[in-house]
Amino acid sequence: LAKTTQPISMDSYEGQEVNITCSHNNIATNDYITWYQQFPSQGPRFIIQGYKTKVTNEVASLFIPADRKSSTLSLPRVSLSDTAVYYCLVGARTLSGSARQLTFGSGTQLTVLP
Amino acid sequence: NAGVMQNPRHLVRRRGQEARLRCSPMKGHSHVYWYRQLPEEGLKFMVYLQKENIIDESGMPKERFSAEFPKEGPSILRIQQVVRGDSAAYFCASSPGGLGRGNTEAFFGQGTRLTVV
Repeated sequence: LAKTTQPISMDSYEGQEVNITCSHNNIATNDYITWYQQFPSQGPRFIIQGYKTKVTNEVASLFIPADRKSSTLSLPRVSLSDTAVYYCLVGARTLSGSARQLTFGSGTQLTVLP
Repeated sequence: NAGVMQNPRHLVRRRGQEARLRCSPMKGHSHVYWYRQLPEEGLKFMVYLQKENIIDESGMPKERFSAEFPKEGPSILRIQQVVRGDSAAYFCASSPGGLGRGNTEAFFGQGTRLTVV
């Protein structure tokens, strides 16, 4: 099961672009990279998923270099409402490896300041 | 299409009582996952169920905890003889099919916050 490492916290100002990088050195060939967002007192919400290069949707962009050992979530022009915890997930495995589910790390607390 | 519904949102139990947490997955979703989130911590996988079957319960404590997902009705996470350490937010998620390499989107409910006093 690939371990992920991401900063514990980040601060930004409204209107700035925010890039959160996640390291996953032992990512498996078949693993996808997924990012979730969690607001206080709410369940996580899927943001974006990718395998290689760049993926963009209406919310964010995901940059994955050729070696896939890291990935960067990019949030354009953040607002105060983007303050949340952002989780980087790799693969979808259960602890026993027998089935698939999502494994969450500690996440990055993004605080957007006015 | 209503999202994943969990109830109650808040549950207070005295030590030794039973807690029953309910989760109704999104319409058409037959895969349910339960997670626990302790204060200031990330989400920890507990159990994965597919209609009437427990697929993987490797994250579930061996004693006092059980889960079911009957053919009809919501999925239930049951905690017997609760202790203070069970106080946490319990989240349920669902997906239409099993999660896999290219499918890592699960839909989470708002959670049930259990407080044991």
